[in-house]
Amino acid sequence: AQSVTQLDSHVSVSEGTPVLLRCNYSSSYSPSLFWYVQHPNKGLQLLLKYTSAATLVKGINGFEAEFKKSETSFHLTKPSAHMSDAAEYFCVVSLLSGSARQLTFGSGTQLTVLP
Amino acid sequence: DTGVSQDPRHKITKRGQNVTFRCDPISEHNRLYWYRQTLGQGPEFLTYFQNEAQLEKSRLLSDRFSAERPKGSFSTLEIQRTEQGDSAMYLCASSLADGTYEQYFGPGTRLTVT
Repeated sequence: AQSVTQLDSHVSVSEGTPVLLRCNYSSSYSPSLFWYVQHPNKGLQLLLKYTSAATLVKGINGFEAEFKKSETSFHLTKPSAHMSDAAEYFCVVSLLSGSARQLTFGSGTQLTVLP
Repeated sequence: DTGVSQDPRHKITKRGQNVTFRCDPISEHNRLYWYRQTLGQGPEFLTYFQNEAQLEKSRLLSDRFSAERPKGSFSTLEIQRTEQGDSAMYLCASSLADGTYEQYFGPGTRLTVT
């Protein structure tokens, strides 16, 4: 079985300050892990992915995440928040199911960026 | 725009009616997925196709739900005898079968059952 837990349902930061969105995963296999972002009225967009290569993964828009197997964590960070980062963020674990990857989403973290 | 498109974007229906949603994937993608997202939750997997073959269905997909992808291009998701609990955002995604595992999502169809 596989699952992800996003530890905060809401995070609020001031523009220009660091962002930390926390995610813990559970997987019986070596997981593939992703972060997706969902802006209002827009489709889910892939921010970054970990697929057993480098443990520090860089994504789009200055986001990065570090895979820590010992802590079963995959936290998302950004050094300096921008107003346009305000959105819902999903941590996702992927299990090879049949011949395709089935995605299991966390419940999401709503990021608010204050001016 | 060459992304995943979904139609309609919004659908309001009365309980007991049938509804059908359409998804057009990215043209070269041979895998297509359906997810359902309820308020305050992450998307949940419903089913996926490789070309025209439906290879997996979630237990969430009750017998009132049926999905097709007749020519391996667009897909439809039909819900018969809708119930208020079916109110949700229905998301479609597509991907290549090349091991990159990247799924590209459409904007979704928001269903409201009154």
